[in-house]
Order: sequence, then C-alpha cells, then structure tokens
Amino acid sequence: KQEVTQIPAALSVPEGENLVLNCSFTDSAIYNLQWFRQDPGKGLTSLLLIQSSQREQTSGRLNASLDKSSGRSTLYIAASQPGDSATYLCAVRDDYKLSFGAGTTVTVRA
Amino acid sequence: DTAVSQTPKYLVTQMGNDKSIKCEQNLGHDTMYWYKQDSKKFLKIMFSYNNKELIINETVPNRFSPKSPDKAHLNLHINSLELGDSAVYFCASSPSDNSNQPQHFGDGTRLSIL
Repeated sequence: KQEVTQIPAALSVPEGENLVLNCSFTDSAIYNLQWFRQDPGKGLTSLLLIQSSQREQTSGRLNASLDKSSGRSTLYIAASQPGDSATYLCAVRDDYKLSFGAGTTVTVRA
Repeated sequence: DTAVSQTPKYLVTQMGNDKSIKCEQNLGHDTMYWYKQDSKKFLKIMFSYNNKELIINETVPNRFSPKSPDKAHLNLHINSLELGDSAVYFCASSPSDNSNQPQHFGDGTRLSIL
C-alpha cells in the first residue's frame, strides 16, 4: 500500500525567501507525481506533474524534482510572496489511483 | 467558467438522514472521481467513473452510492449518515483514466453531521 509523507507539516517564512517542500513515498512503482495547491475553502489546483521518467518540471517560480528510486520529490518555490500562502499537496499515481500526502501549510509573511 | 462544480457547498444534517451531492464538469472529460478529505486533511479516493462506468470502488461502505447519468455528471448519494461521514467531499475529472493526465478538482462540499 502506497504511503505518502510530507515534511514539514507547516512552514512560515518571510516574503522573498525560497521555499523547499518535501514529499516521500514508499512504493517507487509510480506513473507520475503531482503537486497541488489548496487554498482555504477551495479545491485543489494542479501545479506540476512529473512523469516517472522525468527528473524535474518547472513552471515560473516553481520547480519540482523527482527521485523515483529513493521515493522522494521536492517542490521549490523561488522568491516567495504572500500570495503563495496555501497548503501544498503531493500525490503519486500508481496503476489506478492517486495517493495523497497530508500537505504542507505555508505562510509567507509580508 | 467553473470547470468542475459541486453542489451544495455546505451540507449540515442529522445523523441517519439521506443526502446527495451533485457534481458536473464542463471540460468534456471522460473520467470523474469522488474523494473524501478527513479532518487530518488526507484526501482519499472513493470512486472513479470512466464514460459512466465504475472503474474504482475503494472499499467504501455501501451506504455511499455514486451515480453517473452521463459522462459530465457524477453524483454521490449517502444513506443513513453517520458522524464519521463528516468531511469535505471533492469531485474531480480528467480527460481519461490515463495515468499521465492531471485531475481538475471542484471546490468541495463540506458535510457536517449533527
């Protein structure tokens, strides 16, 4: 059974600092790994999807890496802004479903 | 333009009642999902439908019955509600059940059982 862990559970940084969010998973037989953002009272927004054959994906200030063999992914957010405050969820896809971590709640202080 | 919309957004009801949550997507996707997010924020898949056919039923009590009248709609009916059913229920869709396509989520339905 796939288990996904995200560390830390919460993070508070001053504006402008770079953010590093970690995700680990127990079964490396995955098709892809996705990072989502969840705002309070809202659904999930897909940020990045990394295929199992890829090592990283980038979108603007966001960069996600994947090390499938060690069961790890890291989401980097450069030059954080107060608007980046949200919960970030990592999810891995196996044959038929997404398995989610509990998320990292980020607060960026102005 | 709401891509995946769920109604109602909030649902407060008594234990033992029966309730339904509706979901519609206007993205032309073939696959739809129901997830449950508990108080610890873990999201878990409940059901998945592809072109109106059930493809995932993740050990959910049979008090929960999904219905897909067409591929743009996936509704969730819950019988005999229990306290443990209190959670946020999310609907999602994807172009197909192909593993390499991202899922699009609705804003969730917050269900509270009194």
